[in-house]
Amino acid sequence: EADIYQTPRYLVIGTGKKITLECSQTMGHDKMYWYQQDPGMELHLIHYSYGVNSTEKGDLSSESTVSRIRTEHFPLTLESARPSHTSQYLCASSESYLRYFGPGTRLTVT
Amino acid sequence: AQSVTQPDIHITVSEGASLELRCNYSYGATPYLFWYVQSPGQGLQLLLKYFSGDTLVQGIKGFEAEFKRSQSSFNLRKPSVHWSDAAEYFCAVGTPMDSSYKLIFGSGTRLLVRP
Repeated sequence: EADIYQTPRYLVIGTGKKITLECSQTMGHDKMYWYQQDPGMELHLIHYSYGVNSTEKGDLSSESTVSRIRTEHFPLTLESARPSHTSQYLCASSESYLRYFGPGTRLTVT
Repeated sequence: AQSVTQPDIHITVSEGASLELRCNYSYGATPYLFWYVQSPGQGLQLLLKYFSGDTLVQGIKGFEAEFKRSQSSFNLRKPSVHWSDAAEYFCAVGTPMDSSYKLIFGSGTRLLVRP
C-alpha cells in the first residue's frame, strides 16, 4: 500500500484568499505530480517535479505554483483563489510509470 | 503523439453481469498500458498494467484486460460485477523508454451497477 497524503481533503474558501494544498509521500519517490480533475472526471496534469528543486508546468495551464524543497513534500499554492479554481486536485508520486495517488483535495471557491 | 480514447462516458450493468470497458490508443509502437479505478471521493488506484509478454493481464479485484495490437485496444473485463465496483475507470498510456515516464489518461468511464 502506497503512502501519499493530501490535506485538507475538503476546502471551501472565499475569492481572493491564498491557499496551499499539501501533499506528502513516504516512499522516497523522486517524481511527483499535481493533477486537476474536472467535474466530468478527466485528469489534467498541471505540475510535476523530478526531484528536489525541480518543478515544471504540465499540459494544462494553471495559475497555481508549486515547490519541491524536500523529496517527500510537494505543496501547491494559489495566491488568489477564484471560482474558476473550483475543482478536485490530485497529487501523485512515482519512481517509474506506476503512479500512486493521494485521496485528493476538493476545493470550492465561493 | 500518443493519445487514448475511452468511448463510453457511462456504462450501467446489473450486479452479477459481465463487464467490458473499452480503451483505444494511438501510438506507433506498443505502449505501456494501465487501468486505474477511482472510487467516489478518492484518488486513483492501479488495477492492472501491461508492459510486454502475455497479452491477457490479470489485476486486482477480479479484473483482467487484454491487449490487442491489431485493434490498438486494451479493454478491461470482469466476469461478474459487484455493487462495490461502481466507480470511475481510467485507461492510461505510457511511452516505453521515456525517461519522463509520462502517462496520458483517458477521459474515464463511469460504471453504474444496478441491484
